Amino acid sequence: QITLKESGATLVKPTQTLTLTCTFSGFSLSTSGVSVSWIRQPPGKALEWLALIYWDDDKRYSPSLKTRLTITKDTSKNQVVLTMTNMDPVDTATYYCAHEPAHSSGLFDSWGQGTLVIVSS
Amino acid sequence: QSALTQPPSASGSPGQSVTISCTGTSRDVGGSDFVSWYQQHPGKAPRLIIYEVTKRPSGVPDRFSGSKSGNTASLTVSGLQPQDEADYYCSSFAGINRVFGGGTKLTVL
Repeated sequence: QITLKESGATLVKPTQTLTLTCTFSGFSLSTSGVSVSWIRQPPGKALEWLALIYWDDDKRYSPSLKTRLTITKDTSKNQVVLTMTNMDPVDTATYYCAHEPAHSSGLFDSWGQGTLVIVSS
Repeated sequence: QSALTQPPSASGSPGQSVTISCTGTSRDVGGSDFVSWYQQHPGKAPRLIIYEVTKRPSGVPDRFSGSKSGNTASLTVSGLQPQDEADYYCSSFAGINRVFGGGTKLTVL
């Protein structure tokens, strides 16, 4: 059974850097083809894909947020970390991490519960 | 990349069928076999209900079906039930990235 759980700051000030950790179990990020994505959802709005990291450390970013995002992994700890710089109130959202099976290209079959991040001074 | 286009709302009575569209471009929906659909109830994480355009994960009722024509994918919910009332999102592989639709709120009248 795959589980994922997001953790990190719940309240950040404008211009600060957000760091979120996704801790997972039930799969390994060293398995060929597997990836983990970060996805966010502002209150009452749509899902937005942010970034992903593959088993081989290859990374992809949303073109609109690429300059602000960094995704990394710690395979030994079963964790994926997302950092987002220069936070703004419009970045207030629930942030999810999700598992993408090997060679599936956009199939998020397991999701974390999400963590609400509020950006406010 | 732009978000995929979905109608903001859809509705139907119990037992009826409803179809939700998801329109993209040849760079995403039209050029990919990796279109998926997600159901999200209020306060919950999204749940995968359709992947690779037409496939259903185990445990998803066969009342949910997917299709694609050109740059538009569709989700059909047959035999509507009250518990189908939720938000529905499409997603597509887009070159090297992923992109979601704007979401459709399905109301069961």
